[in-house]
Amino acid sequence: NAGVTQTPKFQVLKTGQSMTLQCAQDMNHEYMSWYRQDPGMGLRLIHYSVGAGITDQGEVPNGYNVSRSTTEDFPLRLLSAAPSQTSVYFCASSYVGRSTEAFFGQGTRLTVV
Amino acid sequence: EDKVVQSPLSLVVHEGDTVTLNCSYEVTNFRSLLWYKQEKKAPTFLFMLTSSGIEKKSGRLSSILDKKELFSILNITATQTGDSAVYLCAVRRSNDMRFGAGTRLTVKP
Repeated sequence: NAGVTQTPKFQVLKTGQSMTLQCAQDMNHEYMSWYRQDPGMGLRLIHYSVGAGITDQGEVPNGYNVSRSTTEDFPLRLLSAAPSQTSVYFCASSYVGRSTEAFFGQGTRLTVV
Repeated sequence: EDKVVQSPLSLVVHEGDTVTLNCSYEVTNFRSLLWYKQEKKAPTFLFMLTSSGIEKKSGRLSSILDKKELFSILNITATQTGDSAVYLCAVRRSNDMRFGAGTRLTVKP
């Protein structure tokens, strides 16, 4: 059972570079989301989607873009990386409209130098 | 502004102690409250609570929700070193899920 798969696991970027963090799930979940986790701050919601073609902003969306062209995939794009985006990023998915848990990917540790 | 507040932020206990972790919330469109345990990597699911007053139990862990006073507690009895982790509280709203900052629990032998 693959569940939620994130790639890459680690990444180092230079300031100003762009990149895409990949997230895929095989559970047919409508809801997918991206969080970042910084020391002492829990998980903060970046963007989320309740279905293909629908995305919305979370608490900290600036500097990030998302798209949802299929149910399975929800990539997160950093347009011009900044040191403040150094963090651990988690993708999560769940059903919509039911009280169910969210399933998490294993995380991507991103360092921007 | 919606918020989820956990306390304490960190806690150090000895094996065998009982601990209580707190989570209070102020959110619109509340659907459920979830507890996760996070060790080194991804959070792992512990409990989901949707109704007030119904205690959920799993071994030495239990949790209860008070929807009138807007809080939940997570109890761990007879703590073990393997319980050392960050415990995250999350509130599921209609369209998203918001987390608190977490409580870092350290259990010493």
